[in-house]
Amino acid sequence: EIVLTQSPATLSLSPGERVTLSCRASQSVSIYLAWYQHKPGQAPRLLIYDASNRATGIPARFSGSGSGTDFTLTISSLEPEDFAVYYCQQRNNWPRTFGQGTQLEIK
Amino acid sequence: EVQLLESGGGLVQPGGSLTLSCATSGFTFSSYIMNWVRQAPGKGLEWVSTVTGGDDSANYADSVRGRFTISRDNSKNTLYLHMNSLRVEDTALYFCAGGSTWNLFYWGRGTLVTVSS
Repeated sequence: EIVLTQSPATLSLSPGERVTLSCRASQSVSIYLAWYQHKPGQAPRLLIYDASNRATGIPARFSGSGSGTDFTLTISSLEPEDFAVYYCQQRNNWPRTFGQGTQLEIK
Repeated sequence: EVQLLESGGGLVQPGGSLTLSCATSGFTFSSYIMNWVRQAPGKGLEWVSTVTGGDDSANYADSVRGRFTISRDNSKNTLYLHMNSLRVEDTALYFCAGGSTWNLFYWGRGTLVTVSS
């Protein structure tokens, strides 16, 4: 099973700041990594798929990069609605696995 | 507009059974790869199962293999999760999710399953 390790576990930032979240895989997942945003009581939302492709309707302030075992999600300038939990997920191998999540909090 | 609506959750005793449904609209269900993902209280997301759109082949997490069965009825645009031999650790919010590829483009809001005596 591929283990995805996200860092940091929690981030406290202010609107307008730039943030980079990390996801490291225990073995290569090629480019087959996605990022999701999840707010309590809501459906999770796909942000980035295949490492760097923005999903339909996702603002340009969200970007993804990486390949192999190291991936990042960058939010160029935080908006109030961006405070949520972010998960990475790989689809290169079975079983599909998620990272443990990064909680992005308002400072 | 794409919609996914889960139902069928509830309280069940350990060892019991439950069937979850996910009614969908707004996309060509028969050609989509569909999934179940769960979130235990206070925990992160955990992939449970996937079924393809073409040949209905299925994959399962080790934690549910042999106890859960994923299925779909393309005539009703509905996804199912048949859960047997339920354990306390199966307590979670269960989401259905799907996409035209292996990515989880569309999600529902989930249905809560509580396994407790």
